[in-house]
Amino acid sequence: AQSVTQLGSHVSVSEGALVLLRCNYSSSVPPYLFWYVQYPNQGLQLLLKYTSAATLVKGINGFEAEFKKSETSFHLTKPSAHMSDAAEYFCAVFDSGTYKYIFGTGTRLKVLA
Amino acid sequence: GAGVSQSPRYKVAKRGQDVALRCDPISGHVSLFWYQQALGQGPEFLTYFQNEAQLDKSGLPSDRFFAERPEGSVSTLKIQRTQQEDSAVYLCASSLGVMNTEAFFGQGTRLTVV
Repeated sequence: AQSVTQLGSHVSVSEGALVLLRCNYSSSVPPYLFWYVQYPNQGLQLLLKYTSAATLVKGINGFEAEFKKSETSFHLTKPSAHMSDAAEYFCAVFDSGTYKYIFGTGTRLKVLA
Repeated sequence: GAGVSQSPRYKVAKRGQDVALRCDPISGHVSLFWYQQALGQGPEFLTYFQNEAQLDKSGLPSDRFFAERPEGSVSTLKIQRTQQEDSAVYLCASSLGVMNTEAFFGQGTRLTVV
C-alpha cells in the first residue's frame, strides 16, 4: 500500500525566510505525488503535482518541490515566505491500484512578521 | 459550474438525526471522491465513484454511511442516526478521468453533531 509521511505538524518561519515542508512517500511503483494547501474553512487547493516528468516541479504561488527517488522524498519549498502562505499543507499520493488519494497528516505553516 | 460545489457549507445536527450532504462535481468529470477530515487531521478516504458506479466504499466508517451518484454527476452522502464522532468536514473531489490524477476539491461541508 502506498503512503505518505509528513514530518513536523507545525512549522514556523519568519517572513522572507525559506519555507521547507517535508514529505516522504512509500510506494512500490512510480508514484503520483501532490501538494495541496488548505486555508481556514476552505477546501484543498492544488499547489503542484509530480507525474514522472521533470523531477523539479514548479507550482503556484512560488512553491516548488523536488522528487528524489533515492530518498523517497517530495519536499515542498519556497525561497521567501509571505504572510499569505500561512495555511495547512498536505502531501498526497495517488494510489493507481485503488484509485485513492492518500493524504499525510498535514503541516501547519505559521509565518512570523 | 467552474468548480466542485458542496452544500450545505455548514450543518448542525442533533444526535440521532439523519443528514444528507450534496456534491456537484465539475461537469464531465468521471471520478468522484468523498473524504472525511476530522479536526486537525488529514482527509481520510470514504468512497469512490466512477460515473454512477461506486467502485470502492471501503472507507465508510459504518453502515450508517451511504453514498450514491445515480446519474453519474451529482452525489449525495447520507449519514443516518448521526453520532458525535461523525462531526467533521466532509470533502468531495472530482477528476476528469479514471487515471487522470488531478483532483479538484470542493470547500467541504462542516458537520457538527450536538
